[in-house]
Amino acid sequence: RKEVEQDPGPFNVPEGATVAFNCTYSNSASQSFFWYRQDCRKEPKLLMSVYSSGNEDGRFTAQLNRASQYISLLIRDSKLSDSATYLCVVDNYGQNFVFGPGTRLSVLP
Amino acid sequence: DAGVTQSPTHLIKTRGQQVTLRCSPKSGHDTVSWYQQALGQGPQFIFQYYEEEERQRGNFPDRFSGHQYPNYSSELNVNALLLGDSALYLCASSQRMVGPDTQYFGPGTRLTVL
Repeated sequence: RKEVEQDPGPFNVPEGATVAFNCTYSNSASQSFFWYRQDCRKEPKLLMSVYSSGNEDGRFTAQLNRASQYISLLIRDSKLSDSATYLCVVDNYGQNFVFGPGTRLSVLP
Repeated sequence: DAGVTQSPTHLIKTRGQQVTLRCSPKSGHDTVSWYQQALGQGPQFIFQYYEEEERQRGNFPDRFSGHQYPNYSSELNVNALLLGDSALYLCASSQRMVGPDTQYFGPGTRLTVL
């Protein structure tokens, strides 16, 4: 079993749709959690950190369930510019990032 | 404020050759991590440097080695290149004592091994 797993995708959604991505991790000692976004042939860029209390940044909402070792990302009112690969990232030992395989999102006009 | 920079952008090598990739961290950052990203996969952690020493290492063979200089810049060296080493190599920088911290990625070096 991979240490970080994500929905296989791809997700093809119309503009304005709400889309949710799921991620699970296997190491119960994991300390920090993030969602990164990666555009085609570009570097990953931080989308948001994920906290146990849940956090929201505009149209994006992230949730963490430590008991279930589950992380989610919700995107509301999808825009064409949201099309990218979304990477779930777990930090186990202090800045040793473990990436999931990513879930590709295409927002269609 | 310059972000993370990497050089070269692209590189083509043949099997058996050696390659050196370079990274300059974001201003104020003292820790550099290297990742390998194969096509269609998430980045895989290679190793991390802090205070000019390798602090953590992922599951990569000894052919992969690195160095960090006093100005925090870093190099990734790969010896005896294999076809399977073809990938995007990403450098990420962070500030070690600030946590939980995020890592900022450079644009990467795309290595093709023929």
